[in-house]
Amino acid sequence: GQQLNQSPQSMFIQEGEDVSMNCTSSSIFNTWLWYKQDPGEGPVLLIALYKAGELTSNGRLTAQFGITRKDSFLNISASIPSDVGIYFCAGPYPPGAGSYQLTFGKGTKLSVIP
Amino acid sequence: NAGVTQTPKFRVLKTGQSMTLLCAQDMNHEYMYWYRQDPGMGLRLIHYSVGEGTTAKGEVPDGYNVSRLKKQNFLLGLESAAPSQTSVYFCASSLGDRGRDEQFFGPGTRLTVL
Repeated sequence: GQQLNQSPQSMFIQEGEDVSMNCTSSSIFNTWLWYKQDPGEGPVLLIALYKAGELTSNGRLTAQFGITRKDSFLNISASIPSDVGIYFCAGPYPPGAGSYQLTFGKGTKLSVIP
Repeated sequence: NAGVTQTPKFRVLKTGQSMTLLCAQDMNHEYMYWYRQDPGMGLRLIHYSVGEGTTAKGEVPDGYNVSRLKKQNFLLGLESAAPSQTSVYFCASSLGDRGRDEQFFGPGTRLTVL
């Protein structure tokens, strides 16, 4: 599938710090999805973005659809221990106006130090 | 609503044995998917279905078969298990509405092939 590049691959932060991660592609996407996966669980959808430049929040999480449509960003404010997990970005494959397949990045593993 | 459920949660097979993984969803979703997740590889699509009675190959279909006899169920079969099929398997479903790509995942099945 289409390669989605997530960075960083992993990060260790102190509780209370803000977190930023991003996802980039060489192709234009019309949709960006952000998922979180807790250990031993399936991915859970956090935020869906459908418009370039869109900024959407879900509690302490904020995601942005990059203006070039080739990237997306996820920010977590005031991190807490339960934010630990792997965060995946995803987009429709092949890229374009709607598709029933998703391609996923390899994830950003977040560890929070109390 | 239970969402997406998967059975079994864990399974150990010997090389050459067969098994079927069951996925069920109660959201009346049109599309269903099977993924495998391996360390460092992210989520890779095995097979998917865009409606009852239809199936299609994903990125890594070899060694697997699927069936969608009922809209709410999607079965993944391994005819002759191999150690390379040791993985965590996730089922997902989505509405099937073009432009709304959100997929919802089950809790996963952890399969070990000895």
